[in-house]
Amino acid sequence: KQEVTQIPAALSVPEGENLVLNCSFTDSAIYNLQWFRQDPGKGLTSLLLIQSSQREQTSGRLNASLDKSSGRSTLYIAASQPGDSATYLCAVYGGATNKLIFGTGTLLAVQP
Amino acid sequence: NAGVTQTPKFQVLKTGQSMTLQCAQDMNHNSMYWYRQDPGMGLRLIYYSASEGTTDKGEVPNGYNVSRLNKREFSLRLESAAPSQTSVYFCASSEQGANTEAFFGQGTRLTVV
Repeated sequence: KQEVTQIPAALSVPEGENLVLNCSFTDSAIYNLQWFRQDPGKGLTSLLLIQSSQREQTSGRLNASLDKSSGRSTLYIAASQPGDSATYLCAVYGGATNKLIFGTGTLLAVQP
Repeated sequence: NAGVTQTPKFQVLKTGQSMTLQCAQDMNHNSMYWYRQDPGMGLRLIYYSASEGTTDKGEVPNGYNVSRLNKREFSLRLESAAPSQTSVYFCASSEQGANTEAFFGQGTRLTVV
């Protein structure tokens, strides 16, 4: 059974700081891993998708890496801004069941 | 640019009542999903459908049924609502394969009293 864990559960940083969010998964037979952002009371917005054959993906100030063999991914946010405050979720797709399974999320607060 | 549309957005039910949450996608995706989100627990998969005509249980299927009516629509039914089913429900769709993003609806906030 695929289990996805995100650490830390919550993070508060001052504006301008670089930060790293972590995601780990137990079944390495995945097709891809996605990072999502969720604002309070809203749906999920896809930030980055990393295919299993890729090591990293970048979009603006965001960089996501994937180490499939060790079951880990990181989301790096450079020069954080108050507008980055949200919950960040990772999800893995694939494995034996072709399901999209989520981690519990990291609640990020960027203080102005 | 509708994407994934869920209805209703909000619903209050009494214990024992039934209701169906509707989901439709216009991206011609094969896979569709229903999740529930509770505080501190991320999104938990209730049911998913890999293609039209197929459905399978996720992590928390008890108390729910689903119907994949056609390729576009995937509905979630609560036959006899319980307070433990108070949650925010999300529908999602994706294609199958390595380079496939999942797209989400805006959610249905359900309260069972």
